[in-house]
Amino acid sequence: ETGVTQSPTHLIKTRGQQVTLRCSSQSGHNTVSWYQQALGQGPQFIFQYYREEENGRGNFPPRFSGLQFPNYSSELNVNALELDDSALYLCASSFWRGFNGYTFGSGTRLTVV
Amino acid sequence: GQQVMQIPQYQHVQEGEDFTTYCNSSTTLSNIQWYKQRPGGHPVFLIQLVKSGEVKKQKRLTFQFGEAKKNSSLHITATQTTDVGTYFCAGSGANNLFFGTGTRLTVIP
Repeated sequence: ETGVTQSPTHLIKTRGQQVTLRCSSQSGHNTVSWYQQALGQGPQFIFQYYREEENGRGNFPPRFSGLQFPNYSSELNVNALELDDSALYLCASSFWRGFNGYTFGSGTRLTVV
Repeated sequence: GQQVMQIPQYQHVQEGEDFTTYCNSSTTLSNIQWYKQRPGGHPVFLIQLVKSGEVKKQKRLTFQFGEAKKNSSLHITATQTTDVGTYFCAGSGANNLFFGTGTRLTVIP
């Protein structure tokens, strides 16, 4: 059973640029969620995808968008990057909205300069 | 909005001492999950509590869910250096987790 894999592991972008982060869900999981974790803080919910549709969204602006593919993998896209977007981006997969817990990937460390 | 607070924010213990972190929600929770995040790592699911007053044990770890389902605690007996990390509680929303502020545990050998 493979876990959740994310790519890339680290990324440096310039303010105003766009970025795409990728996630492969754990085998058997049909739901994927994205979280942003700033240094020293708890993860903050960005959005969740189930059956390729957005199934809930946290308090993040529309320049944060995502996709889920038929194989349950997912992408997080962030447009017009701001310095405050620098954080660890975590992908978490689960079966049916995480009622039995979420499996997190190792994350992508994004630095915006 | 839903908020979950944890105390203490930091805890330093000597190896072998016990450790407890407390989680308090402003609203009644349908369930609560606990995660551990090692330094430089990612959150790892530990357990989920669903029932009012529920108590679950995993070896040296004891998890409790309050009767009103608004608070929870994690107690570690006889800490080891492998227990180092940040412990988060997280309430379940309809389609998300809202994480607590976390308690960072340092174990001094």
